[in-house]
Amino acid sequence: QVTLKESGPALVKPTQTLTLTCTFSGFSLSTPGMRMSWIRQPPGEALEWLARIDWDDDKLYSTSLKTRLTISKDTSKNQVVLTMTNMDPVDTATYYCARMPIAVAGAFDIWGQGTMVTVSS
Amino acid sequence: EIVLTQSPGTLSLSPGERATLSCRASQSVSSSYLAWYQQKPGQAPRLLIYGASSRATGIPDRFSGSGSGTDFTLTISRLEPEDFAVYYCQQYGSSPLFGGGTKVEIK
Repeated sequence: QVTLKESGPALVKPTQTLTLTCTFSGFSLSTPGMRMSWIRQPPGEALEWLARIDWDDDKLYSTSLKTRLTISKDTSKNQVVLTMTNMDPVDTATYYCARMPIAVAGAFDIWGQGTMVTVSS
Repeated sequence: EIVLTQSPGTLSLSPGERATLSCRASQSVSSSYLAWYQQKPGQAPRLLIYGASSRATGIPDRFSGSGSGTDFTLTISRLEPEDFAVYYCQQYGSSPLFGGGTKVEIK
């Protein structure tokens, strides 16, 4: 069974750095063609893709946020980590990690439950 | 940069009716990289359709996707009570991008 679960702080202050961890099971990020992404959703708004990391450690970032984002993986721990610097209240959102296997070419087939992050002083 | 526009914003229908949701891209999108998701309140999105017309694992056959180029459609042939939700299209070109969503609500 494939599962993903996000973890991290529920509240961060403006200008702080957010670190989120996605812990997954049921598959390996070392498998050729496997990718993982982070996606966020402000309350009542649409989904926004943030970053992707591949089985071979290739990385891709949202053009509008790339200067603030870093994605990394720890294959031995089955974890993907996202850091976002200089947090602002507009970054308040539910943050999801999702799997992108090559079999569904560019789609996200399994999602975590999401973690709500509020940015406020 | 590609923009995905979903219409209508809200669709008011009764159970048993047919739902037709549109996703229009500002420039041509490869059909291989067009997906549809369903999201219910308080839940993560669920993949319904990938490659424009392939149903994901476990998705009922009342959900179907079609289209090519800049115009894509998600059709729900007969709405079940559990189908009332928000639906998003997504393309994967140079980077993933989502549409603004269509809410299917009970009339």
